[in-house]
Amino acid sequence: AQSVSQHNHHVILSEAASLELGCNYSYGGTVNLFWYVQYPGQHLQLLLKYFSGDPLVKGIKGFEAEFIKSKFSFNLRKPSVQWSDTAEYFCAVKGNTDKLIFGTGTRLQVFP
Amino acid sequence: DTGVSQDPRHKITKRGQNVTFRCDPISEHNRLYWYRQTLGQGPEFLTYFQNEAQLEKSRLLSDRFSAERPKGSFSTLEIQRTEQGDSAMYLCASSLESYNQPQHFGDGTRLSIL
Repeated sequence: AQSVSQHNHHVILSEAASLELGCNYSYGGTVNLFWYVQYPGQHLQLLLKYFSGDPLVKGIKGFEAEFIKSKFSFNLRKPSVQWSDTAEYFCAVKGNTDKLIFGTGTRLQVFP
Repeated sequence: DTGVSQDPRHKITKRGQNVTFRCDPISEHNRLYWYRQTLGQGPEFLTYFQNEAQLEKSRLLSDRFSAERPKGSFSTLEIQRTEQGDSAMYLCASSLESYNQPQHFGDGTRLSIL
């Protein structure tokens, strides 16, 4: 069965610090990978997606993620976070069906 | 961009009552999904439609849950004889059919069972 693990449940950073959120998935076939973000009081929004091609994917707001197939990982990175990045971040995988399997999420707090 | 619309935003009901939620997808999207999210967890897949056909239903979904999309546009999710464990945020998402199209989520309906 497909599953997604997000290792960091709660991350606290100061502005301008670098960010890396871990995501590992369990699935033997071809996968599509996603990072969604949920700002306080808002709906889930797509940050970036990987379907094929270049394993380094750039998304909105300066975020990027790297797909490492050998490690079953899709970690999210941002070189310099801002207070406005405070949110919950979800990694998700889609395998051979159209449903998304989500991780448990990482709550990011950025302090000025 | 009208986005995915869900109604109501909040529903409080007594245990044993039936509840129905509505989801209006982005107008050109032919796929519609329902997820459930509880505190501290990521969204959990419930079911999805392509047009009016229900293509997949989670094994976690009990017989008390039913979803419809009769005309291939809006969808309803009904929970009969609600239980405490049904308290959650119910999320709707929609997408185009093509494999590389992402799912767009609504604000959700928060259900609280008294």
